[in-house]
Amino acid sequence: GEDVEQSLFLSVREGDSSVINCTYTDSSSTYLYWYKQEPGAGLQLLTYIFSNMDMKQDQRLTVLLNKKDKHLSLRIADTQTGDSAIYFCAERVEYGNKLVFGAGTILRVKS
Amino acid sequence: GAGVSQSPSNKVTEKGKDVELRCDPISGHTALYWYRQSLGQGLEFLIYFQGNSAPDKSGLPSDRFSAERTGGSVSTLTIQRTQQEDSAVYLCASSLVGFNGYTFGSGTRLTVV
Repeated sequence: GEDVEQSLFLSVREGDSSVINCTYTDSSSTYLYWYKQEPGAGLQLLTYIFSNMDMKQDQRLTVLLNKKDKHLSLRIADTQTGDSAIYFCAERVEYGNKLVFGAGTILRVKS
Repeated sequence: GAGVSQSPSNKVTEKGKDVELRCDPISGHTALYWYRQSLGQGLEFLIYFQGNSAPDKSGLPSDRFSAERTGGSVSTLTIQRTQQEDSAVYLCASSLVGFNGYTFGSGTRLTVV
């Protein structure tokens, strides 16, 4: 079955790195995504990784994928107060376009 | 349009009334999705439209929920005889077919009183 799990809350100091973790259960996942949701807004696609990759870097964002352990992480370098938001992990299963989302991780950045 | 547009942005309704939520996807996006986000919960898949194919309704929680997509563009999600547990943010997204992630609208916050 499809299930995506995330820790609920992470608090970091401004300038530190943040690491948000996610685990998924469906081994047929083809793509995995990270979305950001700011208060009162919809979800914004941050980055995605194809399942045959183990790392992707995009400016301050680094995505690591451990397919054997079905573990995905998002590292935000030099975290800023503007990074405070809810971060959702999502997987796209092989047989369709539907994305399965986790419950989201609230990132709080303290100045 | 430039983005996914949803209306209304907020809706307060009395228990037992019907509501209609509208989604206007990005022009040219063939796929359209409805999700529901309840407080403290993840995104719950409701329904998915792809081109002229039969929609995937597997996520609709009850027969009070229905959706249609006219002309392959605008979609309407209808909730009949609303209940308090229907209170949530209803998010619409659209995409091209392929690996690209969805583009989400800002959502409709539904409150049933």
